[in-house]
Amino acid sequence: DAKTTQPNSMESNEEEPVHLPCNHSTISGTDYIHWYRQLPSQGPEYVIHGLTSNVNNRMASLAIAEDRKSSTLILHRATLRDAAVYYCILRDLDDKIIFGKGTRLHILP
Amino acid sequence: DGGITQSPKYLFRKEGQNVTLSCEQNLNHDAMYWYRQDPGQGLRLIYYSQIVNDFQKGDIAEGYSVSREKKESFPLTVTSAQKNPTAFYLCASSFLEGNTEAFFGQGTRLTVV
Repeated sequence: DAKTTQPNSMESNEEEPVHLPCNHSTISGTDYIHWYRQLPSQGPEYVIHGLTSNVNNRMASLAIAEDRKSSTLILHRATLRDAAVYYCILRDLDDKIIFGKGTRLHILP
Repeated sequence: DGGITQSPKYLFRKEGQNVTLSCEQNLNHDAMYWYRQDPGQGLRLIYYSQIVNDFQKGDIAEGYSVSREKKESFPLTVTSAQKNPTAFYLCASSFLEGNTEAFFGQGTRLTVV
Protein backbone atom coordinates (compact mmCIF):
# COMPACT_ATOMS: atom_id res chain seq x y z
CA ASP A 1 0.00 0.00 0.00
CA ALA A 2 1.06 3.57 -0.64
CA LYS A 3 2.56 5.28 2.38
CA THR A 4 1.14 8.68 1.47
CA THR A 5 -2.35 10.19 1.30
CA GLN A 6 -3.40 13.01 -1.01
CA PRO A 7 -6.70 14.67 -1.93
CA ASN A 8 -8.30 13.11 -5.01
CA SER A 9 -8.59 16.38 -6.88
CA MET A 10 -7.98 20.11 -6.64
CA GLU A 11 -8.79 23.16 -8.72
CA SER A 12 -6.86 26.34 -9.20
CA ASN A 13 -7.09 29.42 -11.35
CA GLU A 14 -4.50 30.05 -14.01
CA GLU A 15 -1.60 32.28 -12.97
CA GLU A 16 -2.29 31.75 -9.27
CA PRO A 17 -0.17 29.69 -6.83
CA VAL A 18 -1.18 26.10 -6.11
CA HIS A 19 -0.49 24.23 -2.89
CA LEU A 20 -0.78 20.44 -3.17
CA PRO A 21 -0.74 18.67 0.22
CA CYS A 22 0.55 15.22 1.09
CA ASN A 23 0.37 13.34 4.39
CA HIS A 24 2.97 10.72 5.27
CA SER A 25 2.56 10.11 8.98
CA THR A 26 4.58 6.85 8.98
CA ILE A 27 7.65 8.34 7.30
CA SER A 28 10.98 6.97 8.49
CA GLY A 29 14.07 9.03 9.14
CA THR A 30 15.72 7.95 5.90
CA ASP A 31 12.72 8.31 3.57
CA TYR A 32 13.03 10.97 0.90
CA ILE A 33 9.83 12.74 -0.21
CA HIS A 34 9.44 12.73 -3.98
CA TRP A 35 6.87 14.35 -6.23
CA TYR A 36 6.06 13.29 -9.78
CA ARG A 37 3.41 14.45 -12.19
CA GLN A 38 1.71 12.67 -15.05
CA LEU A 39 0.20 14.36 -18.07
CA PRO A 40 -2.53 12.49 -19.99
CA SER A 41 -1.28 9.42 -21.89
CA GLN A 42 2.32 10.00 -20.79
CA GLY A 43 4.69 8.49 -18.27
CA PRO A 44 5.19 10.33 -14.97
CA GLU A 45 7.93 12.93 -14.80
CA TYR A 46 10.02 13.91 -11.81
CA VAL A 47 9.19 17.24 -10.20
CA ILE A 48 11.18 17.60 -6.98
CA HIS A 49 12.37 15.75 -3.89
CA GLY A 50 13.62 16.56 -0.39
CA LEU A 51 14.56 15.06 2.95
CA THR A 52 14.17 17.66 5.69
CA SER A 53 14.72 21.15 4.33
CA ASN A 54 12.49 23.01 1.92
CA VAL A 55 13.62 22.71 -1.70
CA ASN A 56 13.24 24.88 -4.78
CA ASN A 57 13.84 24.15 -8.42
CA ARG A 58 12.71 25.59 -11.72
CA MET A 59 9.46 23.64 -11.68
CA ALA A 60 8.24 23.96 -8.11
CA SER A 61 8.99 24.30 -4.42
CA LEU A 62 8.67 21.63 -1.76
CA ALA A 63 7.77 22.63 1.77
CA ILE A 64 8.36 19.91 4.38
CA ALA A 65 6.80 20.07 7.83
CA GLU A 66 9.16 20.17 10.77
CA ASP A 67 8.02 16.72 11.95
CA ARG A 68 8.20 15.47 8.32
CA LYS A 69 4.74 13.94 8.56
CA SER A 70 3.41 16.12 5.79
CA SER A 71 4.65 18.12 2.84
CA THR A 72 3.30 20.57 0.28
CA LEU A 73 4.20 20.94 -3.36
CA ILE A 74 3.96 24.56 -4.44
CA LEU A 75 3.49 25.65 -8.03
CA HIS A 76 4.14 29.36 -7.88
CA ARG A 77 2.14 30.41 -10.92
CA ALA A 78 -0.05 27.72 -12.42
CA THR A 79 -0.49 27.47 -16.17
CA LEU A 80 -2.84 25.29 -18.18
CA ARG A 81 0.11 23.00 -18.89
CA ASP A 82 0.32 22.20 -15.17
CA ALA A 83 -2.97 20.31 -15.32
CA ALA A 84 -1.93 16.76 -14.45
CA VAL A 85 -2.04 14.08 -11.77
CA TYR A 86 0.52 14.80 -9.05
CA TYR A 87 1.95 11.93 -7.02
CA CYS A 88 3.72 12.19 -3.68
CA ILE A 89 5.83 9.14 -2.81
CA LEU A 90 8.39 8.14 -0.19
CA ARG A 91 11.66 6.59 -1.24
CA ASP A 92 14.38 4.95 0.84
CA LEU A 93 17.61 3.23 -0.19
CA ASP A 94 16.91 -0.04 -2.03
CA ASP A 95 13.18 0.60 -1.69
CA LYS A 96 10.66 -0.17 -4.40
CA ILE A 97 8.73 2.83 -5.67
CA ILE A 98 5.04 2.65 -4.76
CA PHE A 99 2.51 5.12 -6.13
CA GLY A 100 -0.76 6.12 -4.52
CA LYS A 101 -3.74 7.52 -6.40
CA GLY A 102 -2.35 11.05 -6.59
CA THR A 103 -4.14 14.39 -6.88
CA ARG A 104 -5.72 15.39 -10.15
CA LEU A 105 -5.08 19.12 -10.57
CA HIS A 106 -7.51 21.11 -12.72
CA ILE A 107 -6.45 24.57 -13.88
CA LEU A 108 -9.25 27.01 -14.68
CA PRO A 109 -8.51 29.60 -17.39
CA ASP B 1 20.97 11.12 -25.35
CA GLY B 2 20.38 8.96 -22.29
CA GLY B 3 16.91 7.77 -21.55
CA ILE B 4 14.44 4.95 -21.18
CA THR B 5 12.58 3.58 -24.16
CA GLN B 6 9.47 1.47 -24.33
CA SER B 7 8.24 -0.19 -27.46
CA PRO B 8 5.86 -0.43 -29.11
CA LYS B 9 3.66 2.53 -28.17
CA TYR B 10 0.47 0.68 -29.15
CA LEU B 11 -0.01 -3.08 -29.22
CA PHE B 12 -2.98 -5.18 -30.18
CA ARG B 13 -3.24 -8.88 -29.44
CA LYS B 14 -5.84 -11.58 -29.58
CA GLU B 15 -7.08 -13.09 -26.37
CA GLY B 16 -5.06 -16.13 -25.31
CA GLN B 17 -1.78 -14.95 -26.84
CA ASN B 18 1.30 -14.08 -24.86
CA VAL B 19 2.84 -10.70 -25.64
CA THR B 20 6.18 -9.16 -24.65
CA LEU B 21 6.68 -5.46 -23.99
CA SER B 22 10.16 -4.03 -24.37
CA CYS B 23 11.93 -1.64 -21.97
CA GLU B 24 15.50 -0.46 -22.51
CA GLN B 25 17.53 2.14 -20.61
CA ASN B 26 21.01 3.57 -21.18
CA LEU B 27 21.21 5.50 -17.93
CA ASN B 28 23.28 2.82 -16.14
CA HIS B 29 20.46 2.46 -13.61
CA ASP B 30 20.48 -0.55 -11.31
CA ALA B 31 16.74 -0.68 -10.67
CA MET B 32 13.97 -1.17 -13.20
CA TYR B 33 10.21 -1.35 -12.67
CA TRP B 34 7.02 -2.27 -14.48
CA TYR B 35 3.69 -0.64 -13.64
CA ARG B 36 0.17 -1.09 -14.90
CA GLN B 37 -2.28 1.81 -15.13
CA ASP B 38 -6.01 1.47 -15.78
CA PRO B 39 -8.15 4.44 -16.87
CA GLY B 40 -8.46 7.08 -14.16
CA GLN B 41 -6.34 5.05 -11.75
CA GLY B 42 -2.87 5.31 -10.26
CA LEU B 43 0.14 3.17 -11.08
CA ARG B 44 0.29 -0.36 -9.68
CA LEU B 45 3.62 -2.18 -9.39
CA ILE B 46 3.88 -5.46 -11.32
CA TYR B 47 7.56 -6.42 -10.97
CA TYR B 48 10.81 -4.74 -10.10
CA SER B 49 14.48 -5.62 -10.35
CA GLN B 50 17.44 -4.13 -8.50
CA ILE B 51 20.20 -6.23 -10.04
CA VAL B 52 20.82 -8.37 -13.09
CA ASN B 53 19.34 -11.88 -12.90
CA ASP B 54 17.15 -10.99 -9.94
CA PHE B 55 13.63 -9.56 -9.68
CA GLN B 56 10.77 -9.37 -7.19
CA LYS B 57 7.00 -9.46 -7.49
CA GLY B 58 5.05 -6.30 -6.95
CA ASP B 59 1.41 -6.01 -5.93
CA ILE B 60 -0.14 -7.46 -9.10
CA ALA B 61 2.38 -9.97 -10.53
CA GLU B 62 -0.10 -12.75 -11.35
CA GLY B 63 -0.30 -13.38 -15.09
CA TYR B 64 2.96 -11.53 -15.82
CA SER B 65 6.60 -12.60 -16.13
CA VAL B 66 9.88 -10.70 -16.49
CA SER B 67 13.57 -11.30 -17.05
CA ARG B 68 16.67 -9.22 -16.34
CA GLU B 69 19.50 -10.78 -18.32
CA LYS B 70 21.15 -7.43 -19.00
CA LYS B 71 21.34 -4.29 -16.90
CA GLU B 72 19.85 -2.25 -19.73
CA SER B 73 16.83 -4.41 -20.47
CA PHE B 74 13.75 -5.50 -18.50
CA PRO B 75 11.12 -7.04 -20.81
CA LEU B 76 7.63 -7.80 -19.52
CA THR B 77 5.57 -10.72 -20.84
CA VAL B 78 1.82 -10.55 -20.45
CA THR B 79 0.71 -14.17 -20.44
CA SER B 80 -2.63 -15.70 -21.31
CA ALA B 81 -3.14 -16.24 -17.58
CA GLN B 82 -3.66 -12.50 -17.07
CA LYS B 83 -7.44 -12.15 -16.89
CA ASN B 84 -7.75 -8.52 -17.92
CA PRO B 85 -4.57 -7.50 -19.76
CA THR B 86 -5.88 -4.41 -21.57
CA ALA B 87 -4.14 -1.47 -19.88
CA PHE B 88 -1.42 1.17 -20.12
CA TYR B 89 1.98 -0.27 -19.14
CA LEU B 90 4.80 1.91 -17.85
CA CYS B 91 8.45 1.04 -17.35
CA ALA B 92 10.79 3.02 -15.10
CA SER B 93 14.41 2.94 -14.00
CA SER B 94 16.46 4.55 -11.27
CA PHE B 95 19.57 4.28 -9.17
CA LEU B 96 19.04 2.53 -5.85
CA GLU B 97 19.61 5.54 -3.62
CA GLY B 98 16.50 7.18 -2.18
CA ASN B 99 17.58 10.66 -3.19
CA THR B 100 17.63 9.88 -6.90
CA GLU B 101 14.82 10.37 -9.36
CA ALA B 102 13.12 7.68 -11.39
CA PHE B 103 12.80 8.01 -15.15
CA PHE B 104 9.76 6.70 -16.97
CA GLY B 105 9.20 5.54 -20.49
CA GLN B 106 6.32 6.86 -22.57
CA GLY B 107 4.30 3.71 -22.01
CA THR B 108 2.78 0.92 -24.08
CA ARG B 109 -0.97 0.80 -24.51
CA LEU B 110 -1.96 -2.85 -24.83
CA THR B 111 -5.36 -3.80 -26.16
CA VAL B 112 -6.45 -7.41 -26.14
CA VAL B 113 -9.40 -8.30 -28.32
